[in-house]
Amino acid sequence: QPVVTQEPSFSVSPGGTVTLTCGFSSGSVSTYNYPSWYQQTPGQAPRTLIYTTNTRSSGVPDRFSGSILGTKAALTITGAQADDESDYYCVLYMGSGNWVFGGGTKLTVL
Amino acid sequence: EVQVVESGGGLVQPGGSLRLSCAASGFTFSSYSMNWVRQAPGKGPEWVSYIHNSGPIISYADSVKGRFTISRDNAKNSLYLQMDSLTAEDTAVYYCVRDYNYNFDVWGQGTVVAVSS
Repeated sequence: QPVVTQEPSFSVSPGGTVTLTCGFSSGSVSTYNYPSWYQQTPGQAPRTLIYTTNTRSSGVPDRFSGSILGTKAALTITGAQADDESDYYCVLYMGSGNWVFGGGTKLTVL
Repeated sequence: EVQVVESGGGLVQPGGSLRLSCAASGFTFSSYSMNWVRQAPGKGPEWVSYIHNSGPIISYADSVKGRFTISRDNAKNSLYLQMDSLTAEDTAVYYCVRDYNYNFDVWGQGTVVAVSS
């Protein structure tokens, strides 16, 4: 199965904007990979932020947005808040019921 | 309330077997595809297996192919994962996850599988 890459860590200032990316080790991410993004805090199951590239899950603040930027899927947080400090994972659909998670990005807000 | 509840985890010796179960409630189970996702200690989640809502389409991650078997009983609103030939690398929290519109939208609390002698 292909390797899905994410930045291991990222830092953003409160109120700032950060874009996390999700790509393949070789090749481009497209909308047909139905990129989704999940936020996970310690001890909890992941929760959906974004699915099918740019659809915000119910109850997710509009400061979270998804897109395709160049060859990668992207999650942008506009106006970061302290409680956005979490691990973020992308997932890509590979067809025929197969999925691959990225390695995750640990986001620090300071 | 829409929920899924996993059970069946525990401590097992290398080479052993375990069967996980997932009880679904609050939604029409037979209308949804389901997945198992695991998360090893200190690691990110890893997709393990998928089963279509009616059952005929099944897929597995390469890491478990040939050792794990996913199944479902729509009459019992239940999902299962039979795990054989377990190794230490299978130690993880195993989550039952609903799949809707390419979105892992409902997660259980997880069940812990520990493989050790």
